[in-house]
Amino acid sequence: AQSVTQLDSQVPVFEEAPVELRCNYSSSVSVYLFWYVQYPNQGLQLLLKYLSGSTLVKGINGFEAEFNKSQTSFHLRKPSVHISDTAEYFCAVNPGAQKLVFGQGTRLTINP
Amino acid sequence: KAGVTQTPRYLIKTRGQQVTLSCSPISGHRSVSWYQQTPGQGLQFLFEYFSETQRNKGNFPGRFSGRQFSNSRSEMNVSTLELGDSALYLCASSTILLAGGPYNEQFFGPGTRLTVL
Repeated sequence: AQSVTQLDSQVPVFEEAPVELRCNYSSSVSVYLFWYVQYPNQGLQLLLKYLSGSTLVKGINGFEAEFNKSQTSFHLRKPSVHISDTAEYFCAVNPGAQKLVFGQGTRLTINP
Repeated sequence: KAGVTQTPRYLIKTRGQQVTLSCSPISGHRSVSWYQQTPGQGLQFLFEYFSETQRNKGNFPGRFSGRQFSNSRSEMNVSTLELGDSALYLCASSTILLAGGPYNEQFFGPGTRLTVL
């Protein structure tokens, strides 16, 4: 079964600093990969997705992620974070059919 | 276009009771999936409905069930509630062009927070 591991449960950073949230997946077949963000008391919002093609994927709010097949990773990056980026971030993989398998989440805290 | 709506947003029940949650998908979307989110287990897939038929099911006991109506609205039901059923229940809808076709992006609702006392 496909699985997703988010290597950090919490990441504190200072405002305007760069950030990387790490995600590794297990799969022996082609995958669709996603990053979602969840603000307090809200549902999930799609940040970006990798379906095929270019391994560097750009998303909303200045986020980007790089698909690395050899390392089975899909790390999320932002060059300069803002207070408003404080949220929980989830990496997910589509194992087939119309469902997603999620990682445990990474809580991003931005300090002024 | 209106997004996915879920009702109610908050719910408090006691052990042994049953509960029904409702999800209205984005207009034109025919697939509805349900997920459970808890601090301990994270986000887990419950089931997916398409054209009133359950197509996929996650690893949950039979107390968890669902259905979909002809207008694509979906309900999920949990019977004989346990403390561990306290969670945020998220619904997601997607437009399916071909049954059995490739994955289509899911759009999530705000969730229903269920507290079992």
